[in-house]
Amino acid sequence: EIVLTQSPGTLSLSPGERATLSCRASQSVSNNYIAWYQQKPGQAPRVLIYGASSRTTDIPDRISGSGSGTDFTLTISRLEPDDFAVYYCQQYGRSPHTFGQGTKVEIK
Amino acid sequence: EVQMVESGGGLVQPGGSLRLSCAASGFTFSAYWMSWVRQAPGKGLEWVANINQDGSERYYVDSVKGRFTISRDNAKNSLYLQVNSLRVEDTAVYYCAEGGGVFNMRGQGTLVTVSS
Repeated sequence: EIVLTQSPGTLSLSPGERATLSCRASQSVSNNYIAWYQQKPGQAPRVLIYGASSRTTDIPDRISGSGSGTDFTLTISRLEPDDFAVYYCQQYGRSPHTFGQGTKVEIK
Repeated sequence: EVQMVESGGGLVQPGGSLRLSCAASGFTFSAYWMSWVRQAPGKGLEWVANINQDGSERYYVDSVKGRFTISRDNAKNSLYLQVNSLRVEDTAVYYCAEGGGVFNMRGQGTLVTVSS
């Protein structure tokens, strides 16, 4: 099973700042099959990024994904109030499809 | 608009069973892989099972193999998860998701609580 480790566990930032979230895999993820999700309290997770860098519909271009192999990054260039949430990475290159433990982005 | 309505959760004793259902709308259900993803209270996400378009392929996380069964009814745009021999560690919100690898979750989930 591929283990995904996200860092940091919590990111305390102010609106307008840049957020950089890391996701490291225990082995190379085939085809860079990494997705990123955003989850707010009481809501289902929402897909932001798939294929490591492709945004889903309605995701603004200030949110971007990058990386390959074992190291992946989600970047939010300028945080808006709606961005404060928990973010999960997930690999779907090999079964079982596994998630990272999450990074909470909180208001400083 | 893609919508999913999960139901069937509840409080059950260890060893018990439930049948979870998901009514999907807003997309061509029969054309997509479907999955179940769960989230224990205050914890992260875990993929549970997925099924291909005609139900001929089904995959499970090791912890539920032999206890859970995923199925679908394309005529009813519905996805199911039969959960048997439940354990305390199965306590979670169960989300229905469109997709077999990238999970598009659009419902509120259904809570399964396993406790004596």
